[in-house]
Amino acid sequence: QSALTQPPSASGSPGQSVTISCTGTSSDVGGYDFVSWYQQHPGKVPRLMIYDVSKRPSGVPDRFSGSKSGNTASLTVFGLQPEDEADYYCSSYAGNNGFVFGTGTRVTVL
Amino acid sequence: QLQLQESGPGLVKPSETLSLICTVSGGSISSSNYLWDWIRQPPGKGLEWIGGIFYNGDTYYNSSLKNRLAISVDTSKTQFSLRLSSVTDADTAVYYCARHVRFSDRFDPWGQGTLVTVSS
Repeated sequence: QSALTQPPSASGSPGQSVTISCTGTSSDVGGYDFVSWYQQHPGKVPRLMIYDVSKRPSGVPDRFSGSKSGNTASLTVFGLQPEDEADYYCSSYAGNNGFVFGTGTRVTVL
Repeated sequence: QLQLQESGPGLVKPSETLSLICTVSGGSISSSNYLWDWIRQPPGKGLEWIGGIFYNGDTYYNSSLKNRLAISVDTSKTQFSLRLSSVTDADTAVYYCARHVRFSDRFDPWGQGTLVTVSS
């Protein structure tokens, strides 16, 4: 199965918003409401930020928001903070194929 | 607080078998609410889901790896294991174990990860 497609990079100034897309197919993103997002700082373990498309685990700031339309899921970070600079990966359930991750997006806070 | 820790050789020769163990502490591995998964990340690249196992031994694998892959569980030791045979340098990666919440898509928490290098 192919990786989900994410833009390689995204950026914004502190306080601004940035949205990252995650495009799959009807066999993964479009077929199930099971999309999650992970934040990874360099050399660190991925951290769950969003699950089941739009749910936030406890401890994740409400600046992080997830959504989905058709075969594309999105992560929006409102009010960018310097600590939000990291790589972000989406993940989707893919039925009999298990799970598939996105290609990753490097978010830069200008 | 649930914690996961990977262990195993950091260097494996090409064509040999990569073996890793994930030890779960601070919680039960036998809950019907969770599965136990492996995920890897080649240096400088993205994440790849490898496969997972339920406490009763039911497994599900990435189709691209399944011919070389075996995941097992030892509930008495609260451990689950990964074996990947016939490795090549393309299998060089940081290998993570993670808990997967059943009927959801979330992997949480993750282990710290262990780098496995395939080289002669």
